[in-house]
Amino acid sequence: GEDVEQSLFLSVREGDSSVINCTYTDSSSTYLYWYKQEPGAGLQLLTYIFSNMDMKQDQRLTVLLNKKDKHLSLRIADTQTGDSAIYFCAETVNAGGTSYGKLTFGQGTILTVHP
Amino acid sequence: KAGVTQTPRYLIKTRGQQVTLSCSPISGHRSVSWYQQTPGQGLQFLFEYFSETQRNKGNFPGRFSGRQFSNSRSEMNVSTLELGDSALYLCASSLEVAADTQYFGPGTRLTVL
Repeated sequence: GEDVEQSLFLSVREGDSSVINCTYTDSSSTYLYWYKQEPGAGLQLLTYIFSNMDMKQDQRLTVLLNKKDKHLSLRIADTQTGDSAIYFCAETVNAGGTSYGKLTFGQGTILTVHP
Repeated sequence: KAGVTQTPRYLIKTRGQQVTLSCSPISGHRSVSWYQQTPGQGLQFLFEYFSETQRNKGNFPGRFSGRQFSNSRSEMNVSTLELGDSALYLCASSLEVAADTQYFGPGTRLTVL
């Protein structure tokens, strides 16, 4: 079955890079997502990667996928105070049936950016 | 294009009551999923609807139910509320297939007293 694990806290200085890590278990036809949640808000989709890719870059965001170790990371370059939020890693499997509409989330990483 | 909307944004109920939450998906999206978010359990999948049919269901008791209308709008209902049902309920919409990207609404904050 699916299981997603994340480190719980990360603290960085403004202008530094942040790296948030995630491990997942399902290996079949998996899509992996990063969502951001600010206080009192819903989830904002940041980026996603399919399990046959190694890397995806989108402006300040870089996603790296190590399929052998089932390890996913999100790097935020030039981190700003506005990046302070909870970041969730999530996976879904394109297999129909019990995977329909189901995202399995990690616990979330609280990113704190200090001026 | 307008995003996913959820109403109401906040609700306060007492134990034993029932509640109905509403979700309007992004225009053109036919799949709607519901999630419960609590500090203890994190984000957990409730169920998914497509074309007015429930295609998938998470591990929640039968007190939690939902439905979808022909315009893809969805409602979820919780009957006989318990204190532990206090949570942020999030709705997400996507196009159609199992792994289509899900876009989330702002959520409904339910407090059960």
